[in-house]
Amino acid sequence: ETGVTQTPRHLVMGMTNKKSLKCEQHLGHNAMYWYKQSAKKPLELMFVYNFKEQTENNSVPSRFSPECPNSSHLFLHLHTLQPEDSALYLCASSHPNAAGGTSLGAEAFFGQGTRLTVV
Amino acid sequence: DQQVKQNSPSLSVQEGRISILNCDYTNSMFDYFLWYKKYPAEGPTFLISISSIKDKNEDGRFTVFLNKSAKHLSLHIVPSQPGDSAVYFCAATDTGANSKLTFGKGITLSVRP
Repeated sequence: ETGVTQTPRHLVMGMTNKKSLKCEQHLGHNAMYWYKQSAKKPLELMFVYNFKEQTENNSVPSRFSPECPNSSHLFLHLHTLQPEDSALYLCASSHPNAAGGTSLGAEAFFGQGTRLTVV
Repeated sequence: DQQVKQNSPSLSVQEGRISILNCDYTNSMFDYFLWYKKYPAEGPTFLISISSIKDKNEDGRFTVFLNKSAKHLSLHIVPSQPGDSAVYFCAATDTGANSKLTFGKGITLSVRP
């Protein structure tokens, strides 16, 4: 148990569906992240939120829409996805670095992930 | 272009022997390196890290070595145990503001009883 909880653990959705992934942490972290892990590829950073503000969007298609209502919760809203979007979606959190930026040089804690299948 | 490379997709070792997992990087701005371990159906968990001001960091059975001139790091597990069987990700970052972790593809380690 890392202190980062993701729901649901598994999700199957059609290409016309709208669904949301949820991430919650109570570790006192102020930085939260969405990562995508596809088979045989490195973990890909999608979005970064620092103190509830989005500080990075790593060229992610608009069919993925993040939301960070507070420092403890992070959502990823999904709509009109494609089969190639099927992957493991991981949420992570960490402390910001001393410079006030978002540093994953500090240890990042990951959730268990949501296994998404788009049919 | 992959900035963090784990060129061997898998490694199999006998229980009790040493496991050596390698990682190479290309970005000379990276100054902090981490290893994560991932079991099936779980998220990655932090294992050990090393700053570029060091060339070795040890934590129990796990030791990470850093060769900055070669842009190479390795994770040594001694002695290897069956419970160490997992996917190991190497990650790197520069510790400036708004830095981010760049991950390798991972290495699947299998420790045979």
